[in-house]
Amino acid sequence: GEDVEQSLFLSVREGDSSVINCTYTDSSSTYLYWYKQEPGAGLQLLTYIFSNMDMKQDQRLTVLLNKKDKHLSLRIADTQTGDSAIYFCAERNDYKLSFGAGTTVTVRA
Amino acid sequence: KAGVTQTPRYLIKTRGQQVTLSCSPISGHRSVSWYQQTPGQGLQFLFEYFSETQRNKGNFPGRFSGRQFSNSRSEMNVSTLELGDSALYLCASSPGEGGTEAFFGQGTRLTVV
Repeated sequence: GEDVEQSLFLSVREGDSSVINCTYTDSSSTYLYWYKQEPGAGLQLLTYIFSNMDMKQDQRLTVLLNKKDKHLSLRIADTQTGDSAIYFCAERNDYKLSFGAGTTVTVRA
Repeated sequence: KAGVTQTPRYLIKTRGQQVTLSCSPISGHRSVSWYQQTPGQGLQFLFEYFSETQRNKGNFPGRFSGRQFSNSRSEMNVSTLELGDSALYLCASSPGEGGTEAFFGQGTRLTVV
């Protein structure tokens, strides 16, 4: 199967950490991705992780992968107003990306 | 280094017409994939092109077609437009076939009336 599931909404206070969760079903997925989409824009690749890794950190972003539970998370440290957007989790199945429905993150002052 | 360029950004077409969308990948990238984004279905894979050949196709009717040129630029065509074809069409560029990193353009917003 190629289902990727994410919670639809997350509200976070400016300066706090955000954690966006995702579950996927295809155990053969080689890479897992996080993309950001701002209103009226395309998808911005934030980060990705190879399926044999547990964690990847890139500045304010930390990706955790639990392959046994097929669970992926993205933590954004010190969340800023510019982080308000829709975040998509995606898995690579061979030649294509399968996306979740997206999590809308709202940063409140 | 220029990113992925999609033209036009916005299009309004009438039912029954056809439309052609263009995508210029990042310089040096040879793989182009197309995705359709709608509120109801989310992001869905349309097709992938590499070295001027369609390598893979998603579950879309034959009205959706595309091609890739020798300079890696790609076009997709939708014939006999339906209202349900209204969507954001996104193009992704990768260095190689099924590349690890896929970089997306800003998309073309197609509205069918």
